[in-house]
Amino acid sequence: GQNIDQPTEMTATEGAIVQINCTYQTSGFNGLFWYQQHAGEAPTFLSYNVLDGLEEKGRFSSFLSRSKGYSYLLLKELQMKDSASYLCAVREDVRGSYIPTFGRGTSLIVHP
Amino acid sequence: KAGVTQTPRYLIKTRGQQVTLSCSPISGHRSVSWYQQTPGQGLQFLFEYFSETQRNKGNFPGRFSGRQFSNSRSEMNVSTLELGDSALYLCASSPDRQETQYFGPGTRLLVL
Repeated sequence: GQNIDQPTEMTATEGAIVQINCTYQTSGFNGLFWYQQHAGEAPTFLSYNVLDGLEEKGRFSSFLSRSKGYSYLLLKELQMKDSASYLCAVREDVRGSYIPTFGRGTSLIVHP
Repeated sequence: KAGVTQTPRYLIKTRGQQVTLSCSPISGHRSVSWYQQTPGQGLQFLFEYFSETQRNKGNFPGRFSGRQFSNSRSEMNVSTLELGDSALYLCASSPDRQETQYFGPGTRLLVL
């Protein structure tokens, strides 16, 4: 099993930058995912990291440090529509099976 | 290209009954994963099917089962329903591996 921690809630201002952290403990790391989920909707894939470093995709970037069990999602030029829950998920190799485990999500509130 | 579709969207059952949920992946996608989302436990992985075979399985009891057909459509079955099975059931498809998953809108199941 594994433990995934991310802040419950964050607030930020439109146009600003926000960093959502995720820490995890696992013995069979096999990739880390970030998803965005608006209230009442299904999650949307944002990023996937399996190697250390920064992956940039438009306004969103995701960073991974496997040795520290740490990742962050960076959102730039925040827009009101970025108000959503952001889920960190770690995929673990359990005896050859790939099992993703999700954090409880970080509710991001973007205000004008 | 049409997205992932799930039927039915809403379902009400009583304890002890069984239920079958359906998921049609994006055309050309061969992997279908199922998830359960509840306010208490968050998003949890049930299982993944690829080319009609269960490839990965989460930590759910045997009452939860699934299958995948030759056209990649998948069904999930829950037998002997319990109140705690009330949840949003999401399926997600991906072309091959789980790295980029596209979620369907979900089936909201209420067990009375």
